Amino acid sequence: EVQLVESGGGLVKPGGSLRLSCVVSGFSLRPYRMNWVRQAPGKGLEWVSSINSGSSYIFYAGSVKGRFTISRDNGKSSLYLQMSGLRAEDTAVYYCVRDGSMSNYIRDSYLDLWGRGVLVTVSS
Amino acid sequence: QSVLTQTPSASGTPGQRVTISCSGSSSNIGSNSASWYQHLSGTAPNLLIYSDYQRPSGVPDRFSASKSGTSASLVISGLQSEDEADYYCAGWDDSVNAFVFGTGTKVTVL
Repeated sequence: EVQLVESGGGLVKPGGSLRLSCVVSGFSLRPYRMNWVRQAPGKGLEWVSSINSGSSYIFYAGSVKGRFTISRDNGKSSLYLQMSGLRAEDTAVYYCVRDGSMSNYIRDSYLDLWGRGVLVTVSS
Repeated sequence: QSVLTQTPSASGTPGQRVTISCSGSSSNIGSNSASWYQHLSGTAPNLLIYSDYQRPSGVPDRFSASKSGTSASLVISGLQSEDEADYYCAGWDDSVNAFVFGTGTKVTVL
């Protein structure tokens, strides 16, 4: 079965850090660009970060740049999001998402496979 | 603040046709592929449309999409009760180097 499973969420104080992990199964992670997308309570979907297959092209949303770091380990079929300097506004469900385009051009991106999400709550 | 604007809500009775619009700019929809997502409460979002109008296998053919200039549209023909969800357009934006989602449209089946 093709699936993505996130872990590492939880309650953290403002200014704290958290590392999210996503393990994929049923397909090889290696060829795919991967993303993190989040949804804050009562809000819409917000893209957080993208990393290409070789980790050479990485992009971040302006709201997390300088605080979050995306990485991957293709051998371990895993995607990560290191979050630091967390703020209340980072409270959200975080989804690990596959880019199904398999294109070298990020302009062709679309998100075809989503994990179930993990909740991150930033509160004192 | 999203750079892709959608009408906040749309509704219809079962069997009706509903159109959701997505307004962007030359740096996103106007030059890059558009995709559409359905998000039912409590579940993971689901890809409905990719590459402007392509439908993944398993997505009912009552969902269709088009793009013209800097705007995109999603049409649900023959609305069903299970279509009640939030719908988002999305695509890469060259000006901010980010994948952007629309503001979302809540579809209600009356």
